[in-house]
Amino acid sequence: GQQLNQSPQSMFIQEGEDVSMNCTSSSIFNTWLWYKQDPGEGPVLLIALYKAGELTSNGRLTAQFGITRKDSFLNISASIPSDVGIYFCAGPPMDSNYQLIWGAGTKLIIKP
Amino acid sequence: GAVVSQHPSRVICKSGTSVKIECRSLDFQATTMFWYRQFPKQSLMLMATSNEGSKATYEQGVEKDKFLINHASLTLSTLTVTSAHPEDSSFYICSVSDRGNQPQHFGDGTRLSIL
Repeated sequence: GQQLNQSPQSMFIQEGEDVSMNCTSSSIFNTWLWYKQDPGEGPVLLIALYKAGELTSNGRLTAQFGITRKDSFLNISASIPSDVGIYFCAGPPMDSNYQLIWGAGTKLIIKP
Repeated sequence: GAVVSQHPSRVICKSGTSVKIECRSLDFQATTMFWYRQFPKQSLMLMATSNEGSKATYEQGVEKDKFLINHASLTLSTLTVTSAHPEDSSFYICSVSDRGNQPQHFGDGTRLSIL
């Protein structure tokens, strides 16, 4: 079945640094979603991408839907302590628009 | 504001107890809701798709008699973990979407601990 490969698995950064993570797939996705999950809480939608090539920003966050429809990246600029958490990419499989396939997550840790 | 309300946020109970978790869609009528389970340091695993007015669709390996789902209205789905045992301890999360389209919006999750 379709899979999403998300990297890196974890990131240790200094406050103020920029962050970049990405997801790739061997098959095409029509939608890419980026979520953030804090400990003990459900995922919160950050950015939704619906068109190949689409570049969307949400504050300090920017995400792009790859032109091949097989990848997406999420960038965070000037990281702050509250950016700590786990970031997931997700997308609906080709045969079901309402279910989601999930990446394994990128854990962001900010060094004091 | 919140799109989904999930209750309770935490449950601790004895083995053999049945536990009911509620998921409410606050912003729109949800004909479809989703129930996920998440183990520590892992991604979300879809358990079942809850369909308003009809039977839920369970993923492979999920026991439908163990995890009872009721979706009696367009704003409420419930997950009942029947005769819970310690191995059922996990983080359960529901999600809703508007008319079955993306994106899904998630509840805050329920931490279930079975002693």
